[in-house]
Amino acid sequence: ELKVEQNPLFLSMQEGKNYTIYCNYSTTSDRLYWYRQDPGKSLESLFVLLSNGAVKQEGRLMASLDTKARLSTLHITAAVHDLSATYFCAVVTGQGAQKLVFGQGTRLTINP
Amino acid sequence: KAGVTQTPRYLIKTRGQQVTLSCSPISGHRSVSWYQQTPGQGLQFLFEYFSETQRNKGNFPGRFSGRQFSNSRSEMNVSTLELGDSALYLCASSWKAAPEMTDTQYFGPGTRLTVL
Repeated sequence: ELKVEQNPLFLSMQEGKNYTIYCNYSTTSDRLYWYRQDPGKSLESLFVLLSNGAVKQEGRLMASLDTKARLSTLHITAAVHDLSATYFCAVVTGQGAQKLVFGQGTRLTINP
Repeated sequence: KAGVTQTPRYLIKTRGQQVTLSCSPISGHRSVSWYQQTPGQGLQFLFEYFSETQRNKGNFPGRFSGRQFSNSRSEMNVSTLELGDSALYLCASSWKAAPEMTDTQYFGPGTRLTVL
């Protein structure tokens, strides 16, 4: 059974600092997603990573994938308050499947 | 392009009742998936429909069921509600050319169900 683990689960940081969220998964998968969720809101798609070594960047967020290590990272550069949210990684199980297995989420709080 | 819409947004029911939630996917998307989000269990997959056929099912009891219509709109039904069914129910749609494909899922705002 595919398991997805994120760490840390809670992260409080200051504006301007850099930090990384880690996502480990237990079995081979086609693709990995990162989503953002604001309190009381739905999930917003951030990145989809399809192959080993894939790197995607959007603004202050950069995601990467190492399929050999079954590890993805979400790196935050020079954090700003607007990035405060809960971040989820999710992995697809099985070829041709739409079933996403989510990590527990990382609640990120960025303080001025 | 309009996003995924879900109705109702909030719902309060009592134990033993049943409930039907509705989801309209992004125009052109034929795949609709449902997820349950709770503080204790996190986000869990319920089922996926593609062209009116259930493609995948998560580990939920038979009280949870769904269907998809020819216009790709989907409904989810929960019968004999239990307190533990209180959750945010999220619907997601994706564009897949064929049922065996995988594509990014775009989530709706969710229906917050409270069971008293």
